[in-house]
Amino acid sequence: EIVLTQSPGTLSLSPGERATLSCRASQSVSSRYLAWYQQKPGQAPRLLIYGTSSRATGIPDRFSGSGSGTDFTLTISRLEPEDFAVYYCQQYGSSPPNSFGQGTKLEIK
Amino acid sequence: QVLLQESGPGLVKPSETLSLTCTVSGGSITTSSYYWSWIRQPPGKGLEWIGYLYNNGNTNYNPSLKSRVTISVDTSKNQFSLRLTSVTAADTAMYYCARAQASYEFWSGYYFWGQGTLVTVSS
Repeated sequence: EIVLTQSPGTLSLSPGERATLSCRASQSVSSRYLAWYQQKPGQAPRLLIYGTSSRATGIPDRFSGSGSGTDFTLTISRLEPEDFAVYYCQQYGSSPPNSFGQGTKLEIK
Repeated sequence: QVLLQESGPGLVKPSETLSLTCTVSGGSITTSSYYWSWIRQPPGKGLEWIGYLYNNGNTNYNPSLKSRVTISVDTSKNQFSLRLTSVTAADTAMYYCARAQASYEFWSGYYFWGQGTLVTVSS
């Protein structure tokens, strides 16, 4: 069973700073099958990145994804006030067929 | 534009069956490459994938819930449904339906989501 572990649990940064969020898989995940989501309070998650590094429609280019194998990263180059939220990684294809990481909360410092 | 809308009871008694429906508009539920999922989120916690429906009736479930979950489709109404039996307080959560697209070469992620419906398990 693949387990996705995100770190840190909480990240405290200021607007304008760079954010680096990590997602580590317990077994190798195909880079085609790794996605990232943003969730704000009271809202459904929003797809940011799919296929490790492809931005979803309408996502600003300050969001980027990278990684391979068991280590994946979401980077936000310069934080805007609206970027403070919870972020989840997700994998498809391996047992279980879908799973999410536990989330990283990005909060204003 | 694809829209998904969850519906169903907001309160279910312990040991009973939770039943929810997701109505899809703006696209056909029968498109073979689409994966129609149920995902839940207990209050203050993270996301948990429950299962999905694909290829016009095939299903795959989270092993931790498999014995209690059934996802089915009603193509005439462009809807898919979730049944979760023998519920307990641990099943209290926001339940979302969502759509992804997949092939051997590609996983789109869940771009389309419903707004979610809160289900509370309590007597």
